[in-house]
Amino acid sequence: RKEVEQDPGPFNVPEGATVAFNCTYSNSASQSFFWYRQDCRKEPKLLMSVYSSGNEDGRFTAQLNRASQYISLLIRDSKLSDSATYLCVVNTLGSGNTGKLIFGQGTTLQVKP
Amino acid sequence: GAGVSQSPSNKVTEKGKDVELRCDPISGHTALYWYRQRLGQGLEFLIYFQGNSAPDKSGLPSDRFSAERTGESVSTLTIQRTQQEDSAVYLCASSATSGQAFYGYTFGSGTRLTVV
Repeated sequence: RKEVEQDPGPFNVPEGATVAFNCTYSNSASQSFFWYRQDCRKEPKLLMSVYSSGNEDGRFTAQLNRASQYISLLIRDSKLSDSATYLCVVNTLGSGNTGKLIFGQGTTLQVKP
Repeated sequence: GAGVSQSPSNKVTEKGKDVELRCDPISGHTALYWYRQRLGQGLEFLIYFQGNSAPDKSGLPSDRFSAERTGESVSTLTIQRTQQEDSAVYLCASSATSGQAFYGYTFGSGTRLTVV
């Protein structure tokens, strides 16, 4: 079983739609959670951290359910520019309290006009 | 510099040759990571360095792969006797740490390695 699992998609949605991505992780000791965005042939970039209380950044809402080891990302009012691959990421603490990030395979979103 | 710098950006090499990839992290970032991403695949952890601690090499796929880091600065990833399956984008990232808090990584733009 992969440490971080995501539905690879692709998700094809019209502009303005609301779309949700889900992710599960296997290591119950995971400490920090993130969503990264990766555009085609580019490096991943941090989209947002995910907190237990849930957090929102504009059109993006992230949720964490530690009991179910489940993370979600909701995108409202999708824009063409949201088309990308969204990576679910969890960290496991190593020495010195830093983290080794484990990436899911990513979910591809294609927003169509 | 302002970001993570990787060189070369592209490398084409013949099977069996050795290659060396370089990463220059953000100044002050104590942690440095190498990942590999094959075409259409997710990021695969290779190795990470944290300050003067022993590196976590658990992701290195074979003994042909090695990496070094000098203090908290430049790192080099070396692949010996390259094989075609080594073709991938090699991404370096660095992060700052603060106790239990963890702020995610900043990635470089990667080195695209093609073994022919």
